Amino acid sequence: KNEVEQSPQNLTAQEGEFITINCSYSVGISALHWLQQHPGGGIVSLFMLSSGKKKHGRLIATINIQEKHSSLHITASHPRDSAVYICAVEGGGGSQGNLIFGKGTKLSVKP
Amino acid sequence: EAQVTQNPRYLITVTGKKLTVTCSQNMNHEYMSWYRQDPGLGLRQIYYSMNVEVTDKGDVPEGYKVSRKEKRNFPLILESPSPNQTSLYFCASSLWRNTEAFFGQGTRLTVV
Repeated sequence: KNEVEQSPQNLTAQEGEFITINCSYSVGISALHWLQQHPGGGIVSLFMLSSGKKKHGRLIATINIQEKHSSLHITASHPRDSAVYICAVEGGGGSQGNLIFGKGTKLSVKP
Repeated sequence: EAQVTQNPRYLITVTGKKLTVTCSQNMNHEYMSWYRQDPGLGLRQIYYSMNVEVTDKGDVPEGYKVSRKEKRNFPLILESPSPNQTSLYFCASSLWRNTEAFFGQGTRLTVV
């Protein structure tokens, strides 16, 4: 069983739609990261969360530590949001610094 | 400009020929790490370093070596590359644990 599970694996949306990507994990963590990988391969950090909620422009990330679950929301989606979104958890205690990744969610936003 | 720089971006090599992929950051970050990305497997951590002269194994360290002699550089060394090390490699840095990560542009390595 994977320690970090993302859903869905693939997502196609129409421009303007509200999008949710989910991440569940089974290990104790000290932080959770949301990353965006562009079609060209580059990776950009979107959020780092250890509790609650963060917002940046049209992107919102939430985490529920008790339920071991995080969501990434994109409001008013746009074709330029098309990318792979990756969830990664950073271990707690002695394993801090060790990142475990989900397999990613490929998002395609159609005009 | 704050950045993580990897070199080379692309490399084709032969089995057994030692190679080094360099990684350098200009943000005075304490934490640096190496990942490989393979289709169907996603990103996996190879090694990470919390500070100069402090390195630790990630999930897939076999066949790789790293060193952290100075804060800005964290090279990845393949002493005897094999075809199963063909992959896309990323270096990343962050100020410390639990802080935003900055990624290099990636190195696409092919071992024939």
